[in-house]
Amino acid sequence: AQSVTQLDSQVPVFEEAPVELRCNYSSSVSVYLFWYVQYPNQGLQLLLKYLSGSTLVKGINGFEAEFNKSQTSFHLRKPSVHISDTAEYFCAVSVGGQGAQKLVFGQGTRLTINP
Amino acid sequence: GAVVSQHPSRVICKSGTSVKIECRSLDFQATTMFWYRQFPKQSLMLMATSNEGSKATYEQGVEKDKFLINHASLTLSTLTVTSAHPEDSSFYICSAQPGGNQPQHFGDGTRLSIL
Repeated sequence: AQSVTQLDSQVPVFEEAPVELRCNYSSSVSVYLFWYVQYPNQGLQLLLKYLSGSTLVKGINGFEAEFNKSQTSFHLRKPSVHISDTAEYFCAVSVGGQGAQKLVFGQGTRLTINP
Repeated sequence: GAVVSQHPSRVICKSGTSVKIECRSLDFQATTMFWYRQFPKQSLMLMATSNEGSKATYEQGVEKDKFLINHASLTLSTLTVTSAHPEDSSFYICSAQPGGNQPQHFGDGTRLSIL
């Protein structure tokens, strides 16, 4: 069965500093990987996704992630964060082949940007 | 594009009441919709997968008679919490998938509070 581990439950960072949110997954088959962001009392917004092709994926709001198959990781990075990046971030892996695919989510990482 | 509307955003009602939550894909057709439940400061837990015109598939431990799901069209799925009790209080989020390997798009969630 697929699983996702987000190693840090909370990450405090100063504004304009770089940040990396870690995500590792386990799967015996090929996977699709996603990062979502959740602002308070809202649903999830897709930041970026890896389906195939280039292992470096660029998303919205200046975020990027790198798929590393050998390390089964999909860490999220941003070179310079802003106060508005304060939110909960979820890494997810999709389960299944063609057609509808369930998402398995990590536990989430709360990113807090301090001025 | 890919907007999912969830209504209502917040519900407060008495114990024993049944509550219906709607999830609509506004600018695309969703072959599959998903319903999640999120407890405070926790990740999303998949409750059920809903396919248009067929019965929903519930995850283990989710009572299908308690959480009724209807997916009558390619743009609308509803979740009805029947005879709700305080332990049903939670944040419920729906998502819609256009199909194939497309990512899920999430609604803004419904905060359900049962008194």
